[in-house]
Amino acid sequence: DAGVIQSPRHEVTEMGQEVTLRCKPISGHDYLFWYRQTMMRGLELLIYFNNNVPIDDSGMPEDRFSAKMPNASFSTLKIQPSEPRDSAVYFCASTGGISYEQYFGPGTRLTVT
Amino acid sequence: GENVEQHPSTLSVQEGDSAVIKCTYSDSASNYFPWYKQELGKRPQLIIDIRSNVGEKKDQRIAVTLNKTAKHFSLHITETQPEDSAVYFCAAISGYSTLTFGKGTMLLVSP
Repeated sequence: DAGVIQSPRHEVTEMGQEVTLRCKPISGHDYLFWYRQTMMRGLELLIYFNNNVPIDDSGMPEDRFSAKMPNASFSTLKIQPSEPRDSAVYFCASTGGISYEQYFGPGTRLTVT
Repeated sequence: GENVEQHPSTLSVQEGDSAVIKCTYSDSASNYFPWYKQELGKRPQLIIDIRSNVGEKKDQRIAVTLNKTAKHFSLHITETQPEDSAVYFCAAISGYSTLTFGKGTMLLVSP
């Protein structure tokens, strides 16, 4: 398996623009997580899905953020409109079966100017 | 919810020395404690984990200890090497699969 795949790897956008981050989890994994990493706040869980259903979105900072998982092999995290304080590295991770181990994707580095 | 505290935030050692990173957690129901290593510009990767029914686990130069009574667990790296330089995160499970991470420890191993 290729592991968790994320795209794009880097995104630079202007304030107010819509940003869409994409994730493909490891095949067979039934949990998918979106994290945000910044120097100030560390690794924060934004939302997670189980069997494509959002279970806990309490970490989503505000209504500008939304996430979907239309099928078992694809998820998106959307920010609309984006703001400079959204600049961070966004990681997607997946896990499944009896293991708790979460496998992280390479991340998307987002810069909002 | 779970709260995980991690210390120190930075740690500098000489090559060959040992390094110890400590974490405390708040939820007594937590039962899984992984450690992730994140090199600069890379993704976090699991290096070792421990479940609540075990007090210690070793994997070559890395060991983790768990004290459930005191609600703390530690990462021990012996014979450190420059390639051990990275940020290390501890975490604890709260709920079925939700990891709560500590803030991270930047380990610098000088040759």
